[in-house]
Amino acid sequence: GAGVSQTPSNKVTEKGKYVELRCDPISGHTALYWYRQSLGQGPEFLIYFQGTGAADDSGLPNDRFFAVRPEGSVSTLKIQRTERGDSAVYLCASSDYTDTQYFGPGTRLTVL
Amino acid sequence: AQKITQTQPGMFVQEKEAVTLDCTYDTSDQSYGLFWYKQPSSGEMIFLIYQGSYDEQNATEGRYSLNFQKARKSANLVISASQLGDSAMYFCAMSGYSGANSKLTFGKGITLSVRP
Repeated sequence: GAGVSQTPSNKVTEKGKYVELRCDPISGHTALYWYRQSLGQGPEFLIYFQGTGAADDSGLPNDRFFAVRPEGSVSTLKIQRTERGDSAVYLCASSDYTDTQYFGPGTRLTVL
Repeated sequence: AQKITQTQPGMFVQEKEAVTLDCTYDTSDQSYGLFWYKQPSSGEMIFLIYQGSYDEQNATEGRYSLNFQKARKSANLVISASQLGDSAMYFCAMSGYSGANSKLTFGKGITLSVRP
């Protein structure tokens, strides 16, 4: 079956602009996660959805970051007033009733 | 808080030989999961293997096995019969079961290069 998909694969924006990153999980997976990976580091947790609700948003770095999952499937990560430090690869993962998370290809965000 | 430590520098292995990638962890959770992921240069995180903290037997998946030593808090990945396509970054990660939170905590990763 189809894996996790993320769009766009690359996003270049200017400092101060607003961006949206989309994640389409594996069909039927109720849990969805966002991570951020900086160069040379492991992924860092941002937010976790169980169904439509954010079960844990403790990893969001500040209030410029927000994520939604209105129908319990597709999720959008929204970043306001982007800063150069937001440049990273944003990874999305989904899981079913098991604990294993399956990752998408990521969105590489570059803030100029 | 959970912590994963991967301290090996870049690893090199000859094709067809076995290699062990080290991982130690720290957690106060009684129940947790341990994972290994592979990240080739294309960037996608590929799930390799999972070990539950209460599993008595070491997990195996094809050429991958996880050497789980609970008392030492280590979860080393063993790759047998290395192939050129195994060249990639490898991440150890863990999940916890505190409440409903099963986010993954990752280590910094280890680069593996397989020589022909």
